[in-house]
Amino acid sequence: AQSVAQPEDQVNVAEGNPLTVKCTYSVSGNPYLFWYVQYPNRGLQFLLKYITGDNLVKGSYGFEAEFNKSQTSFHLKKPSALVSDSALYFCAVSGPNDMRFGAGTRLTVKP
Amino acid sequence: DGGITQSPKYLFRKEGQNVTLSCEQNLNHDAMYWYRQDPGQGLRLIYYSQIVNDFQKGDIAEGYSVSREKKESFPLTVTSAQKNPTAFYLCASRNRQNTGELFFGEGSRLTVL
Repeated sequence: AQSVAQPEDQVNVAEGNPLTVKCTYSVSGNPYLFWYVQYPNRGLQFLLKYITGDNLVKGSYGFEAEFNKSQTSFHLKKPSALVSDSALYFCAVSGPNDMRFGAGTRLTVKP
Repeated sequence: DGGITQSPKYLFRKEGQNVTLSCEQNLNHDAMYWYRQDPGQGLRLIYYSQIVNDFQKGDIAEGYSVSREKKESFPLTVTSAQKNPTAFYLCASRNRQNTGELFFGEGSRLTVL
């Protein structure tokens, strides 16, 4: 079975500092990994995905993610956090028929 | 604009009533999904459909029903058999290839009074 785990419920960073939101995965076969962001009472928005190729994937709003096969991780990163990045972030893995999500990590960026 | 439209955004229901949540997409996507979101539990898959007139149960299908009579539409009915229906419901779609990202609607918040 395909699954992802987000070990941190909450991440707090100061504005201007780098941020990392962690995700580990468990899949059989090639992993197709995704990051989404959700603002209050809204649907999820796609940020980026890893399918194949370079381990560093760049996405929307200055976010990037690093795929690490040996550590089975797919951490989301941003060099300089903004207050407007405060939201709920979900890691996900795509299977043959569906997509499975982690429990989410709430990111708070303080001025 | 292309996208997914969910309605209603807010819905209140008395215990024992069935309610139907609408999901319409004009992205020409084959696959559609319904997820339930509860605080601290992420998204849980209720039902999904890869093609018209076919759908499959997800992890928490009990107390829910769906239909897929048209490619554009995938309504979800929350029946009175669902024990704890108060939640935020999200509809999504994508092409059938599993490398594609999901496109989400804005969600429907159901509250049982």
